[in-house]
Amino acid sequence: NAGVTQTPKFQVLKTGQSMTLQCAQDMNHEYMSWYRQDPGMGLRLIHYSVGAGITDQGEVPNGYNVSRSTTEDFPLRLLSAAPSQTSVYFCASSYVGPGGTQYFGPGTRLLVL
Amino acid sequence: TQLLEQSPQFLSIQEGENLTVYCNSSSVFSSLQWYRQEPGEGPVLLVTVVTGGEVKKLKRLTFQFGDARKDSSLHITAAQPGDTGLYLCAGRGVGSSNTGKLIFGQGTTLQVKP
Repeated sequence: NAGVTQTPKFQVLKTGQSMTLQCAQDMNHEYMSWYRQDPGMGLRLIHYSVGAGITDQGEVPNGYNVSRSTTEDFPLRLLSAAPSQTSVYFCASSYVGPGGTQYFGPGTRLLVL
Repeated sequence: TQLLEQSPQFLSIQEGENLTVYCNSSSVFSSLQWYRQEPGEGPVLLVTVVTGGEVKKLKRLTFQFGDARKDSSLHITAAQPGDTGLYLCAGRGVGSSNTGKLIFGQGTTLQVKP
């Protein structure tokens, strides 16, 4: 099993550009989520999904779109990048339920100039 | 909105000392998890506590879930330099609007000096 994979590992964008951060998992997990991590702020939930075709907003959804067409994939789209979106982005997956272990990908480091 | 307040945010101690990290909220969680994160990597799960009052031990680490399931603590006995890292607590919500959501605290950066 590859676990949770994320691409790219590092990206530089100019303000106003768009891009998609890819996330895939091969563990057949229902739950997938995107977080951003900034210094001193821990991990903040952007969007999450409890299954294919179902997505919902987290704490900081503005400026980001998601879709979940398959169980395996959960891409995160930035439609018009802003410097405030400079961050490290983590994708995670788990089984639904209170005790589900959340598995994280290696992260994508995004710099918006 | 469910929030988790984690304290302290930074902790620098000498090898052999004990320490406690706290994670508090005004909200009830169905479970509370603790993660450890190394630089350049994603967080890795240390433990999950589900029952109010539950205590779990992982070698020198002791985790406790509050009776009301609103708070948790992580206690490290005789800290070692290998314990250095970022520790994160995370709570999974209850209720139809929060089921499945995992909310993280701000994290505690621990430095253990030899």
